[in-house]
Amino acid sequence: GENVEQHPSTLSVQEGDSAVIKCTYSDSASNYFPWYKQELGKGPQLIIDIRSNVGEKKDQRIAVTLNKTAKHFSLHITETQPEDSAVYFCAASRGVGRRALTFGSGTRLQVQP
Amino acid sequence: SQTIHQWPATLVQPVGSPLSLECTVEGTSNPNLYWYRQAAGRGLQLLFYSVGIGQISSEVPQNLSASRPQDRQFILSSKKLLLSDSGFYLCAWRGDRGHYGYTFGSGTRLTVV
Repeated sequence: GENVEQHPSTLSVQEGDSAVIKCTYSDSASNYFPWYKQELGKGPQLIIDIRSNVGEKKDQRIAVTLNKTAKHFSLHITETQPEDSAVYFCAASRGVGRRALTFGSGTRLQVQP
Repeated sequence: SQTIHQWPATLVQPVGSPLSLECTVEGTSNPNLYWYRQAAGRGLQLLFYSVGIGQISSEVPQNLSASRPQDRQFILSSKKLLLSDSGFYLCAWRGDRGHYGYTFGSGTRLTVV
């Protein structure tokens, strides 16, 4: 089955700096890669996703890049703000619909004001 | 619009007692439904998923079970809880077309004492 590894497990940045979280996946047939943000005591929320036919996707201050050859993808957050502090999870799946997502172990991002 | 409801929000149960957590989805039909467990400070572990009424796939052998008595209802149960069943339980749904990411419920924090 799919295995997703995520690094780092914790990340502390100063407000205004950029943050980068990286994930690698094992199943070369995986073609859907979402990122989730989880605030304390809440369920994860989808913040951005990318499919394998695209190398990069951007939405305001967040962007995701995908390298299919190397089987890794990354989340980039620019101009970080204290409200970006949360746990971030990457995930991967082969296809869509019924197939379950395999999640990384999470990154706790702390943005220092 | 689609919404997902999960209850209760918190639960404290003694060892050996039964468990029933409920999840319902509104605004969609024939969703793919998932139960995940998140141990404190850890990642998301897939427990069960369902692609239709009465169809349950188990990912991890344990003393938990799941049922889907109606199209948009997913129930997680146990006959006798163990201390190791403590955690944050999350229900999620995913559609077959056009909605590729999961939408998570707000979660149930279960403490077995």
